[in-house]
Amino acid sequence: AQTVTQSQPEMSVQEAETVTLSCTYDTSESDYYLFWYKQPPSRQMILVIRQEAYKQQNATENRFSVNFQKAAKSFSLKISDSQLGDAAMYFCAYKEYGNKLVFGAGTILRVKS
Amino acid sequence: DVKVTQSSRYLVKRTGEKVFLECVQDMDHENMFWYRQDPGLGLRLIYFSYDVKMKEKGDIPEGYSVSREKKERFSLILESASTNQTSMYLCASSYRTGGGTDTQYFGPGTRLTVL
Repeated sequence: AQTVTQSQPEMSVQEAETVTLSCTYDTSESDYYLFWYKQPPSRQMILVIRQEAYKQQNATENRFSVNFQKAAKSFSLKISDSQLGDAAMYFCAYKEYGNKLVFGAGTILRVKS
Repeated sequence: DVKVTQSSRYLVKRTGEKVFLECVQDMDHENMFWYRQDPGLGLRLIYFSYDVKMKEKGDIPEGYSVSREKKERFSLILESASTNQTSMYLCASSYRTGGGTDTQYFGPGTRLTVL
């Protein structure tokens, strides 16, 4: 079964600084999708960014970007110019063609002012 | 905007009670999901449904059942609640293409405590 590992239970970043959250996954498939979801303290989970495995180019959404290393099965999230509103639990998730997402354990991000 | 709503934010039940958690989505999504979220374990899929009256077991279905009588509504049922079912329950919905563009949209969650 596919597994997703987030090795950092908690991270801290100073406001306006950059932080990188790590994610590795295990799969024997070549086609799949990867996601980062954000769960703020209010608890509504929202999609931050997604990456298709067949695309070489790393996905970017405003201050959020990923470093996708397919051979290493690594999918890290970089948050630039961190803001107080970025404080949340971040989940990395994996999906093959089909309907099921597999989530990592999550990383709590704290933003210091 | 997609809206996924859950019937309760907080729920306290007694051991042995039958518990219903309701989820409603307003985007005409075919797929609906129930997850359980526990610290250090992330989200684990309990059940999902890809159409009315259709359901499939996820990774941890034991002790749970589901019902989907209408497209917009997906219910999670704890037939006889136990203390180890104390958890956060999240509902989600998505289109059924199966590809990566069918984002799952989540509800706000229900924090269930079983005493």
